[in-house]
Amino acid sequence: GQNIDQPTEMTATEGAIVQINCTYQTSGFNGLFWYQQHAGEAPTFLSYNVLDGLEEKGRFSSFLSRSKGYSYLLLKELQMKDSASYLCAVVDSNYQLIWGAGTKLIIKP
Amino acid sequence: GAVVSQHPSWVICKSGTSVKIECRSLDFQATTMFWYRQFPKQSLMLMATSNEGSKATYEQGVEKDKFLINHASLTLSTLTVTSAHPEDSSFYICSARTRDYNEQFFGPGTRLTVL
Repeated sequence: GQNIDQPTEMTATEGAIVQINCTYQTSGFNGLFWYQQHAGEAPTFLSYNVLDGLEEKGRFSSFLSRSKGYSYLLLKELQMKDSASYLCAVVDSNYQLIWGAGTKLIIKP
Repeated sequence: GAVVSQHPSWVICKSGTSVKIECRSLDFQATTMFWYRQFPKQSLMLMATSNEGSKATYEQGVEKDKFLINHASLTLSTLTVTSAHPEDSSFYICSARTRDYNEQFFGPGTRLTVL
């Protein structure tokens, strides 16, 4: 079966750095997305990785290792507004998105 | 990034009525659109995949006669919830994928409440 694993909840301090991991087992791989979702709102696109390595975009970076079936989202200089759920999703061989359950990130002052 | 709009953003209706939700890609052509529903504190659940000009592909357990999807053009898909019941109350979100598959953008969602 297809499976995406990410931690259910994480807590971090304002100004710190946090890494949210995502491991996957899917039938084929055509890329991995990270989305941010605030409560009651639709997800917002953060990043897309299809090749191994680190993609940096401002305070957010995303890493992919296809051989390990692993990705992480790195958030630096955390702000209170970063409190949200972070969703990992993999594009499988049929170009369908397989979703993780999301990681709820709680930022404390 | 590309913009996907949804209309209406929220709707309240009586049980037994039908509700239509529109999803538009405003500045790009979306060959494929997706419809999701999300219950409170739960992950997104894919309902169906819609390709322009063809019938939608529904996920297992989703009633195609109840959730009618029309993808009439490269920029518009509609979801009609027919004979809505209170258990259909949910957050319905559409997304549109670009031609080269490397991005998928979400609409702002439609909150449906069925009384």
